[in-house]
Amino acid sequence: DAGVIQSPRHEVTEMGQEVTLRCKPISGHNSLFWYRQTMMRGLELLIYFNNNVPIDDSGMPEDRFSAKMPNASFSTLKIQPSEPRDSAVYFCASSFLTGQGRTEAFFGQGTRLTVV
Amino acid sequence: AQSVTQLDSQVPVFEEAPVELRCNYSSSVSVYLFWYVQYPNQGLQLLLKYLSGSTLVKGINGFEAEFNKSQTSFHLRKPSVHISDTAEYFCAVRFQGAQKLVFGQGTRLTINP
Repeated sequence: DAGVIQSPRHEVTEMGQEVTLRCKPISGHNSLFWYRQTMMRGLELLIYFNNNVPIDDSGMPEDRFSAKMPNASFSTLKIQPSEPRDSAVYFCASSFLTGQGRTEAFFGQGTRLTVV
Repeated sequence: AQSVTQLDSQVPVFEEAPVELRCNYSSSVSVYLFWYVQYPNQGLQLLLKYLSGSTLVKGINGFEAEFNKSQTSFHLRKPSVHISDTAEYFCAVRFQGAQKLVFGQGTRLTINP
């Protein structure tokens, strides 16, 4: 398996523009997580899905952020409009979760977003 | 409250010296514990995990960690570090019945020659 695949690896955009980050989870995994990493705040969980359904989006910073998972093999994180403070590395991770939660998450390589 | 704390934000050590990176958690339920490593400009890679059984777990690259339930700790150790171990290390906890991983703030390990 190729692992969790994120695209693009790097994105530079101007303030006010729409940005879409993409993620393909590991085949067979039933949960998908979006994290944001910054120097100031470390790793923050933005939202996670189980069986394509958003379970907890309490980490999404504001209405400018939205995430979708239309099927088991694809998810997007959209920022509209983007702001300089959104500059960060965004990670997608997937996992196969049982009721006990005894499994780890597998991370993609991340998307480094710079908003100028 | 359920939380994870990594007590050291940075740990500098000399090459071939031993190292311990500390992780403590707070929980009223059972936990599953993980250590991840992040090399520069890379994603997070699993080093090791504790799910049940023996409290001493061995991972990749010569790392090991010990689960101490009474002290609610899961410290990461390596007897002799190499320059290539320079990275950021994250402790993570999944609380029983929960779906999300909760991460500590990370510890940056710097190896000096």
